[in-house]
Amino acid sequence: EIVLTQSPGTLSLSPGERATLSCRASQSVSSSYLAWYQQKPGQAPRLLIYGASSRATGIPDRFSGSGSGTDFTLTISRLEPEDFAVYYCQQYGSSPPRSLTFGGGTKVEIK
Amino acid sequence: EVQLVESGGGLVQPGGSLRLSCAASGFTFSSYWMSWVRQAPGKGLEWVANIKQDGSEKYYVDSVKGRFTISRDNAKNSLYLQMNSLRAEDTAVYYCARFKAYEDLELLVYYYGMDVWGQGTTVTVSS
Repeated sequence: EIVLTQSPGTLSLSPGERATLSCRASQSVSSSYLAWYQQKPGQAPRLLIYGASSRATGIPDRFSGSGSGTDFTLTISRLEPEDFAVYYCQQYGSSPPRSLTFGGGTKVEIK
Repeated sequence: EVQLVESGGGLVQPGGSLRLSCAASGFTFSSYWMSWVRQAPGKGLEWVANIKQDGSEKYYVDSVKGRFTISRDNAKNSLYLQMNSLRAEDTAVYYCARFKAYEDLELLVYYYGMDVWGQGTTVTVSS
C-alpha cells in the first residue's frame, strides 16, 4: 500500500500570499495517478487537480499541481479568503482506480 | 443538476449492521466507477470501497474487508454500502463519490478524480 505524507500539517498564511503544499509517497505513484482535493468545514471535499497537474472543471488558475514519482506539490499562487481550508492528496495506483489512499491533509489557515 | 444524496446513517451498537444508500441523479449513473469514502470525527479522509460500472469488480480497504459490501443497482441509479459487524472505529461521516475519467490524448491514459460528492451521512457506533 502506498502511504502519502502531507506537509506541513498546518500552514499559516495571509490572503494574497503563496501557498506551497507537499505530498510525498512511500513509493512511486504510477503515471501520476494523483489528485488533490479541498475541504471546508462541514462540507464534502471538492476535486481540484487530477493527473497531478490538470485542473478540474471550474477550478481557478491560481491552483496548480506539479510533481511525479514520489514528490508532488499543490501551489496556490495568491490566497483568496475562500481558499482557507484543508487540502488532501490522493493516489489510486492504477487506471481505472481499484484501491486508493489519501494523505493526512494540510490545513491552510489565516495568519 | 448532477447530484448524489446519501441516506441510512444512524446510531448502532457495536456488532450491529447498517445499510447506506446513495441516490444519483442528473447523470448516467451506469457509466461511472463509484466509491465510498469516510471521515471520522476530526480526522482525515479514508477510502472505503470502489465498484465498477457494472458491479463486476469491487475493492475494499483492508479494515473493512469481510464486513462491508459495496453494491449498486443501475436501474435505480443507486449505490449501497452494507456494513456488518460494526465497530466503534467505523464511526464517521460516509460520503459517496463519483469517479470521473479524464482522457489524456497525448499519453493515451485515463486519469481519475472524484468529481461529484454527496453531502454525507453520519454513522455512529456506540453502546
